[in-house]
Amino acid sequence: EMQLLESGGVLVQPGGSLRLSCAASGFTFSSFPMAWVRQAPGKGLEWVSSIKHNGELPFYADSVKGRFTISRDNSRNTLYLQMTSLRVEDTAVYYCTKGGHSYNPFDSWGQGTLVTVSS
Amino acid sequence: EIVMTQSPATLSVSPGEGATLSCRASQSVGSRLVWYQQKPGQVPRLLIYGASTRATGISARFSGSGSGTEFTLTISSLQSEDSAVYYCQQYNNWPLTFGGGTKVEIK
Repeated sequence: EMQLLESGGVLVQPGGSLRLSCAASGFTFSSFPMAWVRQAPGKGLEWVSSIKHNGELPFYADSVKGRFTISRDNSRNTLYLQMTSLRVEDTAVYYCTKGGHSYNPFDSWGQGTLVTVSS
Repeated sequence: EIVMTQSPATLSVSPGEGATLSCRASQSVGSRLVWYQQKPGQVPRLLIYGASTRATGISARFSGSGSGTEFTLTISSLQSEDSAVYYCQQYNNWPLTFGGGTKVEIK
């Protein structure tokens, strides 16, 4: 059974940094693009970042460009999101998703991890 | 950036009735349009991709249509379990963008 398990979400102060991880299992991780999508409390869905199956061609939403970095370790079946210079408006549940690059939709979603940015 | 506009914002439907949800793109996305369903407290689930192809395991009561800038999600014979927010999303251009969602309520 395919599974995406996010971790790393915590309460952090504005200006702080955080790294989210997503452990994938049940499919050939290295063959698929991956992405992060977030959802602020009570709000809609917002795409954050995507990366190709081989780690190339990352893309970012303007709202996070220059502050967030997506990466993956195919040997560990893990997707990452390094978040720096965090802002209050980055507060959201962050979902790890399969797809989201090279004309692939987000076809599977993890349960999400909550990042709260507050002083 | 392609802006995705969904209407209506909220739809209240009686059990057994049908519902039609609309999604408009600010410029053509071809057929690279998906629909997601998010039930309260749950993770979004892929319903339709390529504007009209049902994802694995999705009931035939859900159907998608459209291309270019105008898209429709039709839910036939609504059931209580269909109460959710439905989002459209384009995956033709960067940045990937979602609509604001349509909340479907069952009367």
